[in-house]
Amino acid sequence: RKEVEQDPGPFNVPEGATVAFNCTYSNSASQSFFWYRQDCRKEPKLLMSVYSSGNEDGRFTAQLNRASQYISLLIRDSKLSDSATYLCVVPFSGGYNKLIFGAGTRLAVHP
Amino acid sequence: ETGVTQTPRHLVMGMTNKKSLKCEQHLGHNAMYWYKQSAKKPLELMFVYSLEERVENNSVPSRFSPECPNSSHLFLHLHTLQPEDSALYLCASSQGYDRGSYGYTFGSGTRLTVV
Repeated sequence: RKEVEQDPGPFNVPEGATVAFNCTYSNSASQSFFWYRQDCRKEPKLLMSVYSSGNEDGRFTAQLNRASQYISLLIRDSKLSDSATYLCVVPFSGGYNKLIFGAGTRLAVHP
Repeated sequence: ETGVTQTPRHLVMGMTNKKSLKCEQHLGHNAMYWYKQSAKKPLELMFVYSLEERVENNSVPSRFSPECPNSSHLFLHLHTLQPEDSALYLCASSQGYDRGSYGYTFGSGTRLTVV
């Protein structure tokens, strides 16, 4: 299994739709996870941190399943401004703050 | 502004040139990172500095040379690059490096083109 694996998409959804992305990881010892958002030709920006079973922030919900080693990101009521690439991020094994980035899942929200 | 500033934003250099990328963070963080992002590829970790000491060199060719004079500044010195080195170079910082629970704050990146 790759260290971090994501479906590259693209996910093309209409405004108002609910969309979910999954991410699998190989390091079973990882304790904290992150979702970053990256707009075209811009730097990644932290969207959510996931330290326990899940986290919710407005329209965004991140869930963690340690037994199956996957993380999900759910976006409700999609907006045009949600169009971006979403990066799943997992700490590298070894206990240090070295983060491994997934290749990203591209989301395109259309009117 | 994220608190991490990179200059220049864009750089075009010939294969025989020498140039430097600069990164400065105003967040009081103790760890700084260089990442490379090539087209359609995941971010690749290049170097990690923790408290000004290099703690990671991820098999990066010697034509890339990092420097961290203090905990707020990080440089990437470039010389005799190849066209395949063209990419977005991202600097990031985090609160610490001793455990894997700190998110990164990224700078806007330097888009490098080697001709």
